[in-house]
Amino acid sequence: QKEVEQDPGPLSVPEGAIVSLNCTYSNSAFQYFMWYRQYSRKGPELLMYTYSSGNKEDGRFTAQVDKSSKYISLFIRDSQPSDSATYLCAMSPPRDTGNQFYFGTGTSLTVIP
Amino acid sequence: NAGVTQTPKFRILKIGQSMTLQCAQDMNHNYMYWYRQDPGMGLKLIYYSVGAGITDKGEVPNGYNVSRSTTEDFPLRLELAAPSQTSVYFCASSYTLRGRQPQHFGDGTRLSIL
Repeated sequence: QKEVEQDPGPLSVPEGAIVSLNCTYSNSAFQYFMWYRQYSRKGPELLMYTYSSGNKEDGRFTAQVDKSSKYISLFIRDSQPSDSATYLCAMSPPRDTGNQFYFGTGTSLTVIP
Repeated sequence: NAGVTQTPKFRILKIGQSMTLQCAQDMNHNYMYWYRQDPGMGLKLIYYSVGAGITDKGEVPNGYNVSRSTTEDFPLRLELAAPSQTSVYFCASSYTLRGRQPQHFGDGTRLSIL
């Protein structure tokens, strides 16, 4: 079983739609959760960073972590064509239990004008 | 704000050749990482370093070597290039003193082995 599972998509939505992106994980020790956006031929760019459970909002983006279900989500409100990219989830355990980050395979999103 | 800089951006190698992928960061981050990204496979950790002079293997280290002589630089060496090493290589860095800080990535080196 992979440490992190992410539906690769592709996902195609009309401009203005609410987008929901999700990842599940198997390691209950994960405490730090990240979402990255990766444009074509570019490196991943950090979008959201959360610690433990709960919600975090930044503009049109909301990250949710449900540790009891081992499930994280990224919501994009009022989606724009500029949001078209691949979205990667990432997570890691506490620093004293390892130095690795674990990534999902990415979900490809296209927002149609 | 240069962040993480990777060179070269593109390279084609012949089987058996060697090369060094360069990575430099100007954020004074103590942690640095090398990943490879293959289609549909996500990011695989090759090597990482927690500070100058300290390196450790990741998930897929075979065929690669690294060194970390300064805080800023973390080169990745490919010896005897093989077609299986055709990939996009990303360098990342993070500052971790307390807790866990997220990684900052370079824009990658696209490497083809023919």
